[in-house]
Amino acid sequence: NAGVTQTPKFRVLKTGQSMTLLCAQDMNHEYMYWYRQDPGMGLRLIHYSVGEGTTAKGEVPDGYNVSRLKKQNFLLGLESAAPSQTSVYFCASRKGNQPQHFGDGTRLSIL
Amino acid sequence: GEDVEQSLFLSVREGDSSVINCTYTDSSSTYLYWYKQEPGAGLQLLTYIFSNMDMKQDQRLTVLLNKKDKHLSLRIADTQTGDSAIYFCAEYVPGGGNKLTFGTGTQLKVEL
Repeated sequence: NAGVTQTPKFRVLKTGQSMTLLCAQDMNHEYMYWYRQDPGMGLRLIHYSVGEGTTAKGEVPDGYNVSRLKKQNFLLGLESAAPSQTSVYFCASRKGNQPQHFGDGTRLSIL
Repeated sequence: GEDVEQSLFLSVREGDSSVINCTYTDSSSTYLYWYKQEPGAGLQLLTYIFSNMDMKQDQRLTVLLNKKDKHLSLRIADTQTGDSAIYFCAEYVPGGGNKLTFGTGTQLKVEL
């Protein structure tokens, strides 16, 4: 039982490049979330999903897209990376009103 | 609306008690959580309290909830160097994706 797994763990991109961050959970959780963490700002919700095939915008969705084609996977895409998207990205999942389980994060730098 | 606030830093001596405070604004919160984040790691759930409780104790951790003042605190007894981390409080309001709203996090530094 791996819990929530994020890949990659680190990545450096150039401005304008695109990439996809993968989150996988093996707990059969309905809800999945993508956050970004920046110093002094806590965690801010980017997008979330309440089930397979559904996605919704969070607090800071601009510049990101997501897909949930399979229940266990939640993908976060950056179409044209910008330096302002340099951050640590966390994925989380939960079942019902149970606590969220977090991955270990992806550290992304945009040059 | 939902807004959760915490002070950014707290420094204590090893062996003392630490008290980390949090205020929230949404009275519809049903659960309030404390997460711990160690350097370079994800968030680990420490404890949580249901909104109809005033206090919850779990070994060295005591959570106090003042629902009238919308104030939540986490007390760590006999603080150790391994407790040095960032502590986040979060509130859960049902509906709309079952989202959590996180505070900014409190950096706890434990000094010898």
